[in-house]
Amino acid sequence: AQRVTQPEKLLSVFKGAPVELKCNYSYSGSPELFWYVQYSRQRLQLLLRHISRESIKGFTADLNKGETSFHLKKPFAQEEDSAMYYCAPPLHGSGNTGKLIFGQGTTLQVKP
Amino acid sequence: NAGVTQTPKFQVLKTGQSMTLQCAQDMNHEYMSWYRQDPGMGLRLIHYSVGAGITDQGEVPNGYNVSRSTTEDFPLRLLSAAPSQTSVYFCASHEGNNEQFFGPGTRLTVL
Repeated sequence: AQRVTQPEKLLSVFKGAPVELKCNYSYSGSPELFWYVQYSRQRLQLLLRHISRESIKGFTADLNKGETSFHLKKPFAQEEDSAMYYCAPPLHGSGNTGKLIFGQGTTLQVKP
Repeated sequence: NAGVTQTPKFQVLKTGQSMTLQCAQDMNHEYMSWYRQDPGMGLRLIHYSVGAGITDQGEVPNGYNVSRSTTEDFPLRLLSAAPSQTSVYFCASHEGNNEQFFGPGTRLTVL
């Protein structure tokens, strides 16, 4: 079965420290991967997607097809980055329907 | 635009009761989804629709029914609520492989 793994349930860092949220997926194709974020008391929203190659709020994510990873990185964490982060590759075989499979989520806690 | 709206925000049910969670979107998106969010499990797809009149099962469809009579609305029905269905439910809409827009969620407790 297709899997997406976010190995850290909780990642706690101090403000200004680098952050890396890990995501590994099992998929043989060239997936269109997403990172979604849920801030406290807010709805889930798109943070970034692989195809656009943008840097959003200082976050970037590089697709490593060899390792099948799509880790989310930020060089200097800010307190407002504290949130739950979900990695979401497309469901294998879903074509252009946009069906996603979500990881278990990583809670990022940025301490002052 | 309101985006994706969900009602109710909170609901408490007794085991065996039925209810419908409402979801509506005003972005004219063809695709709509229902997810449940549980600690340590992430979001899991319950049911899915690629357009009015067309629905499909997701990863965890048992105990839930959906219908899509209009582009805008995608209600989720719990047929006979069980404690295992205690969760936070999210509705989302999107076009193709593009960004999914989520509703604010419904927190359901089944006693």
